[in-house]
Amino acid sequence: DQQVKQNSPSLSVQEGRISILNCDYTNSMFDYFLWYKKYPAEGPTFLISISSIKDKNEDGRFTVFLNKSAKHLSLHIVPSQPGDSAVYFCAAGAGSYQLTFGKGTKLSVIP
Amino acid sequence: GAGVSQSPSNKVTEKGKDVELRCDPISGHTALYWYRQRLGQGLEFLIYFQGNSAPDKSGLPSDRFSAERTGESVSTLTIQRTQQEDSAVYLCASTLQITDTQYFGPGTRLTVL
Repeated sequence: DQQVKQNSPSLSVQEGRISILNCDYTNSMFDYFLWYKKYPAEGPTFLISISSIKDKNEDGRFTVFLNKSAKHLSLHIVPSQPGDSAVYFCAAGAGSYQLTFGKGTKLSVIP
Repeated sequence: GAGVSQSPSNKVTEKGKDVELRCDPISGHTALYWYRQRLGQGLEFLIYFQGNSAPDKSGLPSDRFSAERTGESVSTLTIQRTQQEDSAVYLCASTLQITDTQYFGPGTRLTVL
């Protein structure tokens, strides 16, 4: 039973355009959400997070949107750059240390 | 370096053998996590250590898996009698405090033949 779902295994975007990565969750107890970025042969690195009391958090080119009623969050990257090519994991937590991760979406930014 | 380190980076073993994976967390980080990522899957939580408290072992998939941590330093994950389904990347992460962002190591890629 997947509690965090990333339904798109891959996404290709032209450089300079917007990348939108989506994540759906089923557990209504989740109260904070994170995005991690992972390059090959490296561990995931933290990108951005959002708590359930907010619906948007922005950090430079990265914005995370949370729609609690739809149990959906998305990561927007604009403008996309070739260096953004990586696997992006969505993760969710429910007031504890345990995070539940999605399967990841591989983003390819085409120069 | 100042990050989380793991060794070995790659391990190939035969089915039935035992393996030991090592994680060196960031100095001063009290919390340490082990995760597993099988091919095409997300990260699965395995075990969590916080200071001298009893570890949370709820994610360990079977009694063939065990982990130890000495104080707030190195941790080892041991898999006994390895099976082919144990093949995965094993990731370690550490945090300064329980609610902080987790910093991940590069992982150990385990292949069981």
